[in-house]
Amino acid sequence: AAGVIQSPRHLIKEKRETATLKCYPIPRHDTVYWYQQGPGQDPQFLISFYEKMQSDKGSIPDRFSAQQFSDYHSELNMSSLELGDSALYFCASSLTGNTQYFGPGTRLTVL
Amino acid sequence: DAKTTQPPSMDCAEGRAANLPCNHSTISGNEYVYWYRQIHSQGPQYIIHGLKNNETNEMASLIITEDRKSSTLILPHATLRDTAVYYCIVRVGVSSGSARQLTFGSGTQLTVLP
Repeated sequence: AAGVIQSPRHLIKEKRETATLKCYPIPRHDTVYWYQQGPGQDPQFLISFYEKMQSDKGSIPDRFSAQQFSDYHSELNMSSLELGDSALYFCASSLTGNTQYFGPGTRLTVL
Repeated sequence: DAKTTQPPSMDCAEGRAANLPCNHSTISGNEYVYWYRQIHSQGPQYIIHGLKNNETNEMASLIITEDRKSSTLILPHATLRDTAVYYCIVRVGVSSGSARQLTFGSGTQLTVLP
């Protein structure tokens, strides 16, 4: 069965640069969630979208923004990157708030 | 969403059943119990969820106490590949237009020993 696709899988950036992470949900899923997992930490919710509208917001820095497009894929834009932004970023998708299925994640390293 | 309490770590012998407990004493009537696991740095993997009845699928069984204040995830025949952090998460059910996030606690590190 098709799963959540995230790209890129690995990303290396310098401080103060920008990064864009992409998430392609499972076909027919209309809801996307973003989570951040720092080293040795548990995943933390950042933001979610339902039917292309922002639904919930967690501990997402103001430097980050996200959107969901008409084809339901989502992008997480991160600006003025800091060393502390180095983390795994997971995207999950669901059908109308039901069970969430996670992608493999993007490992972001900020140097 | 209700807070959950899990033991930080457990060991299990390969081929034996792994029973992972979770306390969620403040759970509300409309909150489900979800279990996910995360194998080192991979994306969290959905295992099973339930409201009040016991549930079983190809991966595991979920036993929820009658008062719903605790539950147990059972992996019937643990293998080395089941070594992972297991998260018990309580989450409200679906409502129209909502996209309720999962709140991850510390989970239980299950180590399956050969």
